[in-house]
Amino acid sequence: AQTVTQSQPEMSVQEAETVTLSCTYDTSESDYYLFWYKQPPSRQMILVIRQEAYKQQNATENRFSVNFQKAAKSFSLKISDSQLGDAAMYFCAYRRRNNNDMRFGAGTRLTVKP
Amino acid sequence: DAGVTQSPTHLIKTRGQQVTLRCSPKSGHDTVSWYQQALGQGPQFIFQYYEEEERQRGNFPDRFSGHQFPNYSSELNVNALLLGDSALYLCASSLRLGGTNEKLFFGSGTQLSVL
Repeated sequence: AQTVTQSQPEMSVQEAETVTLSCTYDTSESDYYLFWYKQPPSRQMILVIRQEAYKQQNATENRFSVNFQKAAKSFSLKISDSQLGDAAMYFCAYRRRNNNDMRFGAGTRLTVKP
Repeated sequence: DAGVTQSPTHLIKTRGQQVTLRCSPKSGHDTVSWYQQALGQGPQFIFQYYEEEERQRGNFPDRFSGHQFPNYSSELNVNALLLGDSALYLCASSLRLGGTNEKLFFGSGTQLSVL
């Protein structure tokens, strides 16, 4: 079974600083996708960034980037120049290719201090 | 362009009752997935509908059933409600390409409380 673990229930960062959220996953598959989703108080899950396992290059989206270590099954999210609007729950997720069952971690609550 | 809309936003039911939740996908999307998010946890996949059929199902009992209509909207039905069914129910829509759904767009969910 594929599982996703987020070991940091809560994280805090000063505005304009950088923070890294951790995620590890367990799978015997070689072809899969990894995701980071943001869930603000509005409850809507918003895709932050996506990584395809067969791509060695780490994905980046503006201030958001990942450190994908396939052998270690690690997928961390780095948020640079943190903004107040980044405060939310962040969920790491895994999905096998050709499978629609997306597995989520338990989430990390990020607080941004002004 | 309307995103994914869900109704109602909140719902209170009693144990043993039945409930129906509704979802309208983002314009242009043909696939709807349902997730259950218990308090303090990440979402769990319930099932996915495409072309009015259940295409894949997660580890949920038969009390959970669904339907997709010709306009791609969907319903989630839960029978014989249990206290443990209290959760946020999220709907996600996507466009099915080559058998997989690359990007999910989520609604804001229906908060179900079972008393």
